[in-house]
Formats: sequence, structure tokens, C-alpha cells
Amino acid sequence: NAGVTQTPKFRVLKTGQSMTLLCAQDMNHEYMYWYRQDPGMGLRLIHYSVGEGTTAKGEVPDGYNVSRLKKQNFLLGLESAAPSQTSVYFCASSYAGQARYQPQHFGDGTRLSIL
Amino acid sequence: LAKTTQPISMDSYEGQEVNITCSHNNIATNDYITWYQQFPSQGPRFIIQGYKTKVTNEVASLFIPADRKSSTLSLPRVSLSDTAVYYCLVGVTNTGFQKLVFGTGTRLLVSP
Repeated sequence: NAGVTQTPKFRVLKTGQSMTLLCAQDMNHEYMYWYRQDPGMGLRLIHYSVGEGTTAKGEVPDGYNVSRLKKQNFLLGLESAAPSQTSVYFCASSYAGQARYQPQHFGDGTRLSIL
Repeated sequence: LAKTTQPISMDSYEGQEVNITCSHNNIATNDYITWYQQFPSQGPRFIIQGYKTKVTNEVASLFIPADRKSSTLSLPRVSLSDTAVYYCLVGVTNTGFQKLVFGTGTRLLVSP
């Protein structure tokens, strides 16, 4: 049982390049999330998904797109990378639950540097 | 938003009990209080969750007063491996994703 797996673990891009970060979970969770973590700012929610084929914006969605074509996968895309997107990106997943907080399970992150 | 406030850092020694308090003055009626632990180069890991009074599991206790405007994570007899950043999170996942704000956390340093 791998939990939440993120690929790649590290990547260096040049400004203007595009790339896709992949998140895969094997826990049959309905909800999936993408966060970014910057020094001194905690984790900020980029986009999230409540089920296959659905996505929604989080706190900082600009410059990112997402897709959830399969329940187990959640993709984060950068169409034209900018230095301000240098960060550590975390994917998480959780059960849907009802009227309570369902613990989120996190991957180990993707460290992205944009030059 | 249920904004949370935690101390930026705390220091302790092995074997001591550590209490980290989180303030959440505008917590909503249906919000749960959840704590996470994060080690360097890893994602946050769920520690404990509660709604009111006291919750205890194999690694920590969570104390929540009646007004629920604060909560305290208690780590008994810490070891060097408890050195990490601890986050307090307030909200629910089925209706309030935008409210799930991870603050800057509390950096705990445990020394020998």
C-alpha cells in the first residue's frame, strides 16, 4: 500500500516551460488536493477535486490547471512556468465523509525550481 | 475563515512533556480541530483530531475547552525524533475546503 505517490520528486525548469506533476493514490479516496508550501507561509491550497471529472479552485489557483480523469490520479499543470512558482508542491487525498473533517494523507512532495 | 494562531517555535528536552496551544477564536459549530506533524522533506502526517473535551491516542493528547476557541496538543515524554513542525487545522472537508488553511505551524526542537 503506497498511499499517495508524487512524481517527479525534483525538477528544474526554465521560465516559460510547461510541465505536469502527477499524483496517484491507492486508497480509493474521493477527494484530492494540491498544495504549495513556501518558506514562512505554511501550505496553501491550489486546486482540489471532490471526485472523478470534477475540479475546483483553491486559495492560489492562478497559473495552474488540474485534471482528474481517473479517481486515483490528480494532475497539476503549469502551462508557462514563472520564477514565482518555485516551491514545494504537495498532493493529498481523503475520504469524502459527512459533516466532519476526514484526515488528509499527503505525499512527500515535488520540489520545483524555475530559473 | 477559522484562522489559527500558534507559537512560531518551541524548545524542549528529551523526556519532557510538550504542550502546543492553538488559538481559533472564530471556529464554527461544525468545525473539527486536527493536528499534523511534518518532518523535513516529507508531507504533513495526521496526528490527532477532536471536536470537544479530550482525545487521546497512542502518540498524543488533544485538549479542547468548552468554548472551543483554543486547543492544546500534548506530547508526553518527547524524544529527539519528535523534532518537527506541528500544524493546527480547523474545519471540515465535505463543505469547507476553502477554510482548510494550514498556518505557518510551530517548529518544535527537542534537545538531548
